[in-house]
Amino acid sequence: AQKITQTQPGMFVQEKEAVTLDCTYDTSDQSYGLFWYKQPSSGEMIFLIYQGSYDEQNATEGRYSLNFQKARKSANLVISASQLGDSAMYFCAMRPHYGGSQGNLIFGKGTKLSVKP
Amino acid sequence: DADVTQTPRNRITKTGKRIMLECSQTKGHDRMYWYRQDPGLGLRLIYYSFDVKDINKGEISDGYSVSRQAQAKFSLSLESAIPNQTALYFCATSDLGGTEAFFGQGTRLTVV
Repeated sequence: AQKITQTQPGMFVQEKEAVTLDCTYDTSDQSYGLFWYKQPSSGEMIFLIYQGSYDEQNATEGRYSLNFQKARKSANLVISASQLGDSAMYFCAMRPHYGGSQGNLIFGKGTKLSVKP
Repeated sequence: DADVTQTPRNRITKTGKRIMLECSQTKGHDRMYWYRQDPGLGLRLIYYSFDVKDINKGEISDGYSVSRQAQAKFSLSLESAIPNQTALYFCATSDLGGTEAFFGQGTRLTVV
């Protein structure tokens, strides 16, 4: 069965420091996509970054980078230079590209990040 | 205007009532989804539709039904609401092989 595991229910980071949010996934598919979303207290789901399973380079979007280790089936999110506005829930998700559930996002349970001033 | 619009944004309803949550999108995507979010459980898939004539049950479809009225519109119904359906509901769209899934703003539903 396909599954996303986020082992850190909550994390604290000092403002301006970097933080890594862990994500491991379980799939037998060879082709899939990995996503990270941010959910602030207002509730909306904000797309942060995407990594395709065949992408050789780690994805980066501004202060966000995805540390993709395919053999370990991990897709950790790294936020550099944390800001107070980064305090939110963060969700890792996977989308298989083939099979009956193709296109469906499978989510982890999330990590609550708190940035301390 | 938002790419994916959900209405209503907030709703309080009584046990046993029928309620419909609506979703419309301007992305031109064929694929639309309804997710439910409960604290500590992440997002779980209720129903998904790959086109107007293709509707599929997700992980937690019991107690829910959907209608895909057009490519751009996908509604979720609770036929007889119960308190444990109190949750945050999201509509989302994507295209095949897309690298991004677009979410609506969410609907906070409370069943009393």
